[in-house]
Amino acid sequence: KNEVEQSPQNLTAQEGEFITINCSYSVGISALHWLQQHPGGGIVSLFMLSSGKKKHGRLIATINIQEKHSSLHITASHPRDSAVYICAAIKMDSNYQLIWGAGTKLIIKP
Amino acid sequence: EPEVTQTPSHQVTQMGQEVILRCVPISNHLYFYWYRQILGQKVEFLVSFYNNEISEKSEIFDDQFSVERPDGSNFTLKIRSTKLEDSAMYFCASRTGENYGYTFGSGTRLTVV
Repeated sequence: KNEVEQSPQNLTAQEGEFITINCSYSVGISALHWLQQHPGGGIVSLFMLSSGKKKHGRLIATINIQEKHSSLHITASHPRDSAVYICAAIKMDSNYQLIWGAGTKLIIKP
Repeated sequence: EPEVTQTPSHQVTQMGQEVILRCVPISNHLYFYWYRQILGQKVEFLVSFYNNEISEKSEIFDDQFSVERPDGSNFTLKIRSTKLEDSAMYFCASRTGENYGYTFGSGTRLTVV
């Protein structure tokens, strides 16, 4: 069983739409990362959360530790937001290694 | 902003050849990692490194793989005898250790032919 699950796997939306990507996990975690991967393959860290909510520009990330669930929201989506978004969790009592979700491929159409 | 630098960005090698992937982590970071992503699959943990030794490794990280930090700045991943299934994007990452934050390199795409 995958310890970190993301949904949806693929998401296509029109420019301006509000986007939500979900991540659920089945193990105890110390923190959760949301990452962005562009077609060239490089990975950029967007957020690191251990509780509550963080906002950076049009991106918002939330986490509910009790429900073992996190969401990434994009407001006023733009074609340049098109990328793969990945959640990755730091499993409690591990050596801080990341357990990765499969990623959500987001396409924003103009 | 400080970066983790990986070289080369793309390497093509013959099956059975040795490859060395290089990473320069951020200078004040203490924890170093290699991850890999086979095309179309999830990112997978390979190995973590702290205080000049491996702190944890996955089942993937068998005897064909090794890591070292030869000069206090570079962090290398060596694959002794490459197989076709080693073709993947390899990511280096580092952390300060003061929090859970990671910084990733831009990856090396390894193609074994």
